Parts: sequence; C-alpha cells; structure tokens
Amino acid sequence: GENVEQHPSTLSVQEGDSAVIKCTYSDSASNYFPWYKQELGKRPQLIIDIRSNVGEKKDQRIAVTLNKTAKHFSLHITETQPEDSAVYFCAASNYGGSQGNLIFGKGTKLSVKP
Amino acid sequence: EPEVTQTPSHQVTQMGQEVILRCVPISNHLYFYWYRQILGQKVEFLVSFYNNEISEKSEIFDDQFSVERPDGSNFTLKIRSTKLEDSAMYFCASSRSGGGAVAYNEQFFGPGTRLTVL
Repeated sequence: GENVEQHPSTLSVQEGDSAVIKCTYSDSASNYFPWYKQELGKRPQLIIDIRSNVGEKKDQRIAVTLNKTAKHFSLHITETQPEDSAVYFCAASNYGGSQGNLIFGKGTKLSVKP
Repeated sequence: EPEVTQTPSHQVTQMGQEVILRCVPISNHLYFYWYRQILGQKVEFLVSFYNNEISEKSEIFDDQFSVERPDGSNFTLKIRSTKLEDSAMYFCASSRSGGGAVAYNEQFFGPGTRLTVL
C-alpha cells in the first residue's frame, strides 16, 4: 500500500522567513496530494492540494510543487506569520483506483517566532 | 458554510464497553470516511463508505469496528469491545466524490471525538 514520508518533523522559523516541508510517496498510482493544517485540538483543514497532472500550484503565500518522477511533493510558505504556527500534514490518495482514502505523513510542527 | 459535525466531542468509556461515535456529513456529499489520530501522531485511515457499503478499510479496522448509515444524515462508527489502545481522536470526513470526478475530491473533516478508554 501507499506510504508517505514527511520531513522535517519540527521546523522553527522567524516571522517573515519562508518554510518548506517535503513529502515522498511510494505508490506511483497516487494522483491527489492535499496538505492539511491542524491547530492544537482542532480538525485538519485543507490549505492547498495538487493533482498529478499539475507540477505546481500557488495560493497567495502558499505553494505546492509535485515531482511525479521522483515521487515527492513540497509545501512552501512565504512571508510566514505567527498564525501559520500549527502542525502540517501531507497526504496522498489514488482517486479512481480507490475511494480516495488519504494516507497521511507524520506531520511537521511549524513554529513561527515573532 | 456547511460543516461536518460529530458527537460527542469527548467520550470516556471502560475497557470492554461498546461505543458509538456519530457524524453528520455535509448534506450533498456521497463519500464518507473515518480516520483516527492517536495523541501526537499522524492521522490514520480506518474506513471509507459509499452507496451504503464499505469501499475500503485499513488493517486497523478489524472485526471490533463497524460503520453504518442508519438514516439519510447520520454516519456512525461502532467499536464493540473497546481496548486501551483504541484511545484516540476519531475524525469523520466526507467528500462529494471519491473516484473518477477529481474536481470534488476535497475531504472535509469534522471536529473529532476524543475517545478515552480506561
């Protein structure tokens, strides 16, 4: 089955700096890669996603890149703010081959210091 | 904006007892999921449900677990005989589509039920 590895497990940056979180996946059939932000004690919330027919997607300060050949994808947050502090999870899924269950990475705890 | 809701927010039970966790997915969604998250760990897939039957289940979802959609709005997860290691946050999620129509893949998560087994 699919396996998703995520690095780093913790990341501390100064406000205004950029943050990059990287994930790799094992199943070449995976075709949907969402990123979720989870604040302490709250539900995971989708912040951006990318599909396998796209190499990069951007939404304001957040961007995601996908390299299908290498089977890795990354989250980039620019101009970080203290409210970006949370745990970020990447996930992979195979829509079409399954009913879309998400396989998550272990998460990255991002701390943005003012 | 419609949201997935879950009840109760926190359930405390004795080992060996049965628990039922309840979810109300977003009304026009067709695919339903249960995930669990042990404290400080990653979110793990348990089961997906479509058209009144299980689509997929993980190794975690053994015979002690069952899911049901008893009416047009609720989606439940039952654990027949709880174990200490079942203590976790259980998230329900729903999406408009699960396969094929890629445009509606986004899964919306509920606020979770924290299950504590003593």
